[in-house]
Order: sequence, then structure tokens, then C-alpha cells
Amino acid sequence: DVRMTQSPSSLSASVGDRVTITCQASHDISIYLNWYQQKPGKAPKLLIYDASNLQKGVPSTFSGGGSGTYFSFTITSLQPEDVATYYCQQYDNVPSITFGQGTRLELK
Amino acid sequence: EVQLVESGGGLVQPGRSLRLSCVASGFTFNDYAMHWFRQAPGKGLEWVSGISWNSGYIGYAESVKGRFTISRDNAKNSLYLEMNSLRAEDTALYYCAKDVVVVISGASDIWGQGTMVTVSS
Repeated sequence: DVRMTQSPSSLSASVGDRVTITCQASHDISIYLNWYQQKPGKAPKLLIYDASNLQKGVPSTFSGGGSGTYFSFTITSLQPEDVATYYCQQYDNVPSITFGQGTRLELK
Repeated sequence: EVQLVESGGGLVQPGRSLRLSCVASGFTFNDYAMHWFRQAPGKGLEWVSGISWNSGYIGYAESVKGRFTISRDNAKNSLYLEMNSLRAEDTALYYCAKDVVVVISGASDIWGQGTMVTVSS
């Protein structure tokens, strides 16, 4: 299985800050990576698919990049409603799908 | 309204079985692959199983292979997960989710609210 190492595991930032989360794959997964947001008590929400494509309806303050083994997810200007846990998910060797450990994002 | 509604969770003893169901509405169910994911209390997300639009391609996580069976009934807009030989480590909130394409791609844009499965004696 592909192992996904996501960092940091937790992050505290202020409103308006630029926030970046990274995800490293144990081997080359091309662009087969998605990013999800999960708010407390809610189901996950797809934000980014195929590494850099913004899901319909998701604000452009969210973005993703990378390919191969290194990927990043950025919030350009943190808002209070962005407080959540964020997960990367790889699907290179479908049907085996794996997630990163998650990054808990809090307001400072 | 596009939605997925899971049911069938509950408290079950180790070694016993449980069947989860998920009913879809608001979209053409047989145009998409479907998945089951789970999340243990206070833990991260785990993919459990996925099934293509016509049930021709099915996959399982290693942790459930041989014990869980995914199936779908396109005539009933329904997805199922038959869980046998349940273990304490299967305790989790189980989510049904819709893929964005007919085959298993991994990207899931619609999720249900989840159904809780607790395995305990």
C-alpha cells in the first residue's frame, strides 16, 4: 500500500494567515491525490481533486499543487469557517485508497 | 436534493455480523461508483471498500478483506456492506460516499451522515 505522510499534524494560525499543509507519498502517485475538509461532527467535504483541481463550489482561497511524491494544500487567507481537519487521499493503486493522518487546523 | 442516507449500524458482539445499507437520491445512482469509508472515534478517515457502477470492479481495504462484502442494487438506488466476523477494531462511524465517476477513482463528492457501528461484548 501507498503510505501518506501528512504534516503538520496540527496547526494554529490567525485569521488572514496563509496556511500550507503537505503530504508525502511513499512512492510516485503522479497526480492521484485529493484533499478533504472535515468539520467537527460532519462528513468530509471534497475540496481538491487530481492534486490541483478545485471542486465545484469550493472557494478559490483553497488551492493544491504537486505531483509524484510531494503535494501541498494552501489556504491563502484563513477564515474562521476554515477551522477543520484536513486530509489528503491517494488513489494511485486503485482500488487501494489511503489517507494521510490528518491536520487539525485551529485559530490562534 | 442530492443525498445519501445510511442505516443498519448498532451495537454488536465480537464475531457477529451486521449489514449496512445506504439509499441514494437526487442523482442517477448507476452512473457512479460508490464507497464505504469509516472513522473510529477520535481517529482519521479509512477507506473500507468501493464498487464500480455495474459491480464489475470491487475493492477492499486489507483490514476487512475476506470479512466484509460490498454490493449494490441499482434498481433500488442502494449500496450495502455485509460485515462478518466483526472485531473491536471495526468500531467506527461508517460513511457511504459517491464517487465522481463510474469507476473507482477515490474522489468522493457526496457523503452520507454516517451510521455508527460498535463492536463490544
